[in-house]
Amino acid sequence: DAKTTQPNSMESNEEEPVHLPCNHSTISGTDYIHWYRQLPSQGPEYVIHGLTSNVNNRMASLAIAEDRKSSTLILHRATLRDAAVYYCILRPQGGKLIFGQGTELSVKP
Amino acid sequence: GAVVSQHPSRVICKSGTSVKIECRSLDFQATTMFWYRQFPKQSLMLMATSNEGSKATYEQGVEKDKFLINHASLTLSTLTVTSAHPEDSSFYICSASGRSNTEAFFGQGTRLTVV
Repeated sequence: DAKTTQPNSMESNEEEPVHLPCNHSTISGTDYIHWYRQLPSQGPEYVIHGLTSNVNNRMASLAIAEDRKSSTLILHRATLRDAAVYYCILRPQGGKLIFGQGTELSVKP
Repeated sequence: GAVVSQHPSRVICKSGTSVKIECRSLDFQATTMFWYRQFPKQSLMLMATSNEGSKATYEQGVEKDKFLINHASLTLSTLTVTSAHPEDSSFYICSASGRSNTEAFFGQGTRLTVV
């Protein structure tokens, strides 16, 4: 299973943009890049996913490097409710979701 | 997003008894379901993957006779922890993917405490 590397923790200020990095140098051509987040004592929540092109949805944007060896999750305006552990996961089409350690994001008012 | 309902949210059972956890996809057909367990301050650990109508595939180190998984329909999967012991106490989470096989949706988790 291809692995991802994320910083253990990051801090941001409320209402400012947040860029959460993820390295995945061993990604294969059929791996999708998925992002999920988890609040304490809850199941993870889907955030966004993509293959090659940058993606936008109502929650976030996903910027994927041209060589696909890294990606960045962008929260455009952080709120206190965005404080969570964010997981970057490589998923083959129809394959397993293997979680790494993720990045714990804290948001300061 | 799609809704996955997991029940119960909390359960306390006596050592040696069995506990069944249900996972339902409410508004889509889940061809694949995943079961995870999570210990405090740790990430999710995949236990098994099940496809509708076929036997579950267990990850290395997960006892298939202890953690029985049934995926009898496109909307329901169950995990039964048999002969539970205190070390089985954990947060169990299910996840479901539909035919698009892209994003996955998660249940709210079940906190199992074995006393």
